[in-house]
Amino acid sequence: QKEVEQDPGPLSVPEGAIVSLNCTYSNSAFQYFMWYRQYSRKGPELLMYTYSSGNKEDGRFTAQVDKSSKYISLFIRDSQPSDSATYLCATNAGGTSYGKLTFGQGTILTVHP
Amino acid sequence: DAGVIQSPRHEVTEMGQEVTLRCKPISGHNSLFWYRQTMMRGLELLIYFNNNVPIDDSGMPEDRFSAKMPNASFSTLKIQPSEPRDSAVYFCASSSHTDTQYFGPGTRLTVL
Repeated sequence: QKEVEQDPGPLSVPEGAIVSLNCTYSNSAFQYFMWYRQYSRKGPELLMYTYSSGNKEDGRFTAQVDKSSKYISLFIRDSQPSDSATYLCATNAGGTSYGKLTFGQGTILTVHP
Repeated sequence: DAGVIQSPRHEVTEMGQEVTLRCKPISGHNSLFWYRQTMMRGLELLIYFNNNVPIDDSGMPEDRFSAKMPNASFSTLKIQPSEPRDSAVYFCASSSHTDTQYFGPGTRLTVL
């Protein structure tokens, strides 16, 4: 079993829809949670970064962490065609291994006009 | 800011040949990471350096893979000999005292 599980999709939604992307993890030591966005043939770029359980909002994006159930989510409101990309969740334990990110498989999202 | 620079962007080689991938991190960043991305396995951390010193190479698949960071502005990932199963996109990323890693555009490697 992978330490971070993510449904690869693909996920296709109409423009303006609310998108929900999810990951589960198994390692209780994971403390930091990130969402990266990767456009086709590009490197991943950091989208959201959270530490504690709860919600963090940034424009149309909301990251949610529930440490009790080891579940992390990314919500995209009013989705746009420009949001079409692969979304990867990532996590690490911090401390001496702060640089060692473990990524989910990535979910391919297509937002069609 | 130029961002993380990787070369070559594409590499096609034959099985058994030596492959060298290069990375220039963002100036001032003290950590450098090498990843491999495939459809089957996703994005996997191979090795990372902190202040030019390898910290964790547990993700390096086997002895055919080696990485060096001779100075703060340059790193190489070498595969010798290469095999078809090494075909993947290899990313380099750098960071500075934070968990935010900045990725390069990647090198798409095809081993025939």
